[in-house]
Amino acid sequence: QSALTQPASVSGSPGQSITISCTGTSSDVGGYNLVSWYQQHPAKAPNLMISNVSDRPSGVSNRFSGSKSGITASLTISGLQAEDEADYYCSSYTSSNTYVFGTGTKVTVL
Amino acid sequence: QVQLQESGPGLVKPSETLSLTCTVSGGSITGFYWSWIRQPPGGGLEWIGNIHYTGLAAYSLSLRGRVTMSVDTSNNYLSLKLIFVTAADTALYYCARYPSDTSSGLDYWGQGVLVTVSS
Repeated sequence: QSALTQPASVSGSPGQSITISCTGTSSDVGGYNLVSWYQQHPAKAPNLMISNVSDRPSGVSNRFSGSKSGITASLTISGLQAEDEADYYCSSYTSSNTYVFGTGTKVTVL
Repeated sequence: QVQLQESGPGLVKPSETLSLTCTVSGGSITGFYWSWIRQPPGGGLEWIGNIHYTGLAAYSLSLRGRVTMSVDTSNNYLSLKLIFVTAADTALYYCARYPSDTSSGLDYWGQGVLVTVSS
């Protein structure tokens, strides 16, 4: 199972919006609405930001939103803030009854 | 508040078996799916597998044959065993919880335990 493809880095200025893509196949992202997104700050455990493509857990800022089109899922962060600087990973259920993570994206707030 | 705590030896010799435990407190193992994930130093996340509280497990295709997960609902902990380890298994190992059968996201994570494979 190959990792889902994410851009290595994305950057934006405070207040701007950025979007992180997560590209898979019809056997994972494209086949199921079971994509999640995680935020990971240095030396910290990942934190769930989005599940099931677009569901935001309680406590997660509404500046974070998820969507999917075909084999590509996306995480949008609006009103970018300094605290959003972190690594972000997507994850998807697969047709093999497994999960796969994305390659990870480093978000930099300029 | 659910808390997860991974534990186990920090150093394992090549070809030996890595054994980790994840103790769950503040909530029950019963009723949930649980997962193990690892992250090599400076690297990305890798899904190892998941296990239902009934013991039904699913494993990563790349680790199948070397990995075994189990649950102890009486004592509220999970276990991970990985046999024939190599340096490539050196990583921070996390346990985490799926909040429901229909959720793809892991809502509670432990802090992770670093395992180094070296002679």
